Formats: sequence, structure tokens, C-alpha cells
Amino acid sequence: LAKTTQPISMDSYEGQEVNITCSHNNIATNDYITWYQQFPSQGPRFIIQGYKTKVTNEVASLFIPADRKSSTLSLPRVSLSDTAVYYCLVGPTAGNTPLVFGKGTRLSVIA
Amino acid sequence: GAVVSQHPSRVICKSGTSVKIECRSLDFQATTMFWYRQFPKQSLMLMATSNEGSKATYEQGVEKDKFLINHASLTLSTLTVTSAHPEDSSFYICSARDMGQGTTEQYFGPGTRLTVT
Repeated sequence: LAKTTQPISMDSYEGQEVNITCSHNNIATNDYITWYQQFPSQGPRFIIQGYKTKVTNEVASLFIPADRKSSTLSLPRVSLSDTAVYYCLVGPTAGNTPLVFGKGTRLSVIA
Repeated sequence: GAVVSQHPSRVICKSGTSVKIECRSLDFQATTMFWYRQFPKQSLMLMATSNEGSKATYEQGVEKDKFLINHASLTLSTLTVTSAHPEDSSFYICSARDMGQGTTEQYFGPGTRLTVT
């Protein structure tokens, strides 16, 4: 399973755009890139998933370069409620292969 | 999206007793469910993969006799912590995929906080 590397922590002011980059040099051909958000004492919540290029949904965008060795989660105009840990995971999305979590990025949004 | 529930949400037990945690997929079938454990300020650690109708697959270092997993139906998996000790106190999270979909996200339950006194 591909190993991921993310910054341990990031700080941002409210209203700013936050970009969290994840490195996954050993990503396999059938691996997808998935980002989860976790608040204290809650299970992880799905944010976005992609395979290549750019994916956008109502809460975030995911940018994936052509070589797929990294990805960037972009959160537009963050608010205090976006303070959480963000995990980048790489792996197949079907079958019985579980997602393996790295250390994640602790985002703190400041008023 | 699909929903995974866990019961109980929190439990306190005495050292030496056993505790059962249930994980249910509410609106989809899951032939495979996953159990994770998370200690304070740490990431989720995969404990085992639960397969419906067969034995679970445990990660290295996880005691299969201590953490009993039963996946008796396509919507229910249980984790029993046997002879619990204070060091078993942790946040246990289950997860599942909707096997009816081609490719899809892995859905996570809300977690169960276990405290062993």
C-alpha cells in the first residue's frame, strides 16, 4: 500500500483558502486518492476522492498532477468549524483492501 | 451517502470483563468490514478485516484471541474485547464499503469510546 506524507499541522485565518499537499510517490495504477476529515471523538468523514487531474465538489477541490505522485486538497474560505485533522489516503476503492491511515494534518483555523 | 452505525457510542467497563461493540451498515450490504483503533492524538490504526461468513484477518501485533470479531451477516460485524485491561481503553471505529458499487468510498462509523477502569 502506498505510503503518504503530509504536513503535521497547519494554521490558517478564517476566510482564507487552505491547500494541504500530500506526497505518495509509490502510488499504484489502480489506486485512488481519498481525503477524509476527522473531528475529535468522531469517525472520519469523506471529503473528496480522485484519480487524476482535478475533482471538485461542494466542499473542496482535489488537484492531482499527471504523475500522480502527489495531490493537493484545497479548502476555499475556511471557517472555524473546519478545524480538524485531514487525512490523505491512497489505495484501491473496491474489494476488501482497507484504507491505511498516515499521521494526517491538523488544521487550526483562527478567527 | 451510506451510513455505518456503531453501538454503544461509549462504554465503561471494569478490568477483566468483556465488551462487545456492534457495527452495522444501515442501507447497504458489506461483505467486508474493517476495524480500527485510535489512541488520543494519534491516527487510526487498522486492527482487522472482518469477512462475512469467514474468519477475520488480523494485522500484525493484534491479538486475535483478545479482539474477537464476528461478521455473521452482510450488515453486522461485532468486535468483542475480552478480558479488557486499562491499556485497551481507546476509540474503536469500524468501516465498510458498499459491495454493490463498482468503486466507492469507505464509510466510517461514529466510533465507540471504550474506557477500562
